[in-house]
Amino acid sequence: DAKTTQPNSMESNEEEPVHLPCNHSTISGTDYIHWYRQLPSQGPEYVIHGLTSNVNNRMASLAIAEDRKSSTLILHRATLRDAAVYYCILRDVGGGSGTYKYIFGTGTRLKVLA
Amino acid sequence: GAVVSQHPSRVICKSGTSVKIECRSLDFQATTMFWYRQFPKQSLMLMATSNEGSKATYEQGVEKDKFLINHASLTLSTLTVTSAHPEDSSFYICSARDLAGGAHEQFFGPGTRLTVL
Repeated sequence: DAKTTQPNSMESNEEEPVHLPCNHSTISGTDYIHWYRQLPSQGPEYVIHGLTSNVNNRMASLAIAEDRKSSTLILHRATLRDAAVYYCILRDVGGGSGTYKYIFGTGTRLKVLA
Repeated sequence: GAVVSQHPSRVICKSGTSVKIECRSLDFQATTMFWYRQFPKQSLMLMATSNEGSKATYEQGVEKDKFLINHASLTLSTLTVTSAHPEDSSFYICSARDLAGGAHEQFFGPGTRLTVL
């Protein structure tokens, strides 16, 4: 299974942009890059996903390196509600069975300072 | 957006008893559901992939006789922890994929906190 590597923790000031990096050097050509976040005692929440091109949605932006071996989740203006553990995941098609299982890494714990 | 529910949200049981956790997709059909376990301060660990109408596929190291999974309909999967012991205490989370939408993402339930005394 392709793995991802993220910093254990990051801090940001409120109202400032946050760049959360993720390395996935063993990514395959068909792996999608997904980002989720998890608040304490809750299930993960979808943030964004992409394949090759940069992506934007109302929650965040995803910048994908040209060689696809790394990506960065960008929160344009961090708020206290963005404090969570952010997971970068490669969608595993699972040997052609199409199960699309996720293998979670350790994630990055984002702390937002007021 | 797609909603996944879990019931119960928390359960406390005595050692040796069995506990059933339900996972429902409320507004979409899910041929595939996933079960995860999460210990405090740790990441989610995939336990098994549940396919409607067929046997679940368990990840390496997960005992299929200990964690029984049933996916009898397109909106319901259940996880039964049999003969639970204190080491089974954990946060159990399910997720589901939307069959029709072709969505890439999985939708996660709110989790069930199991405490075995």
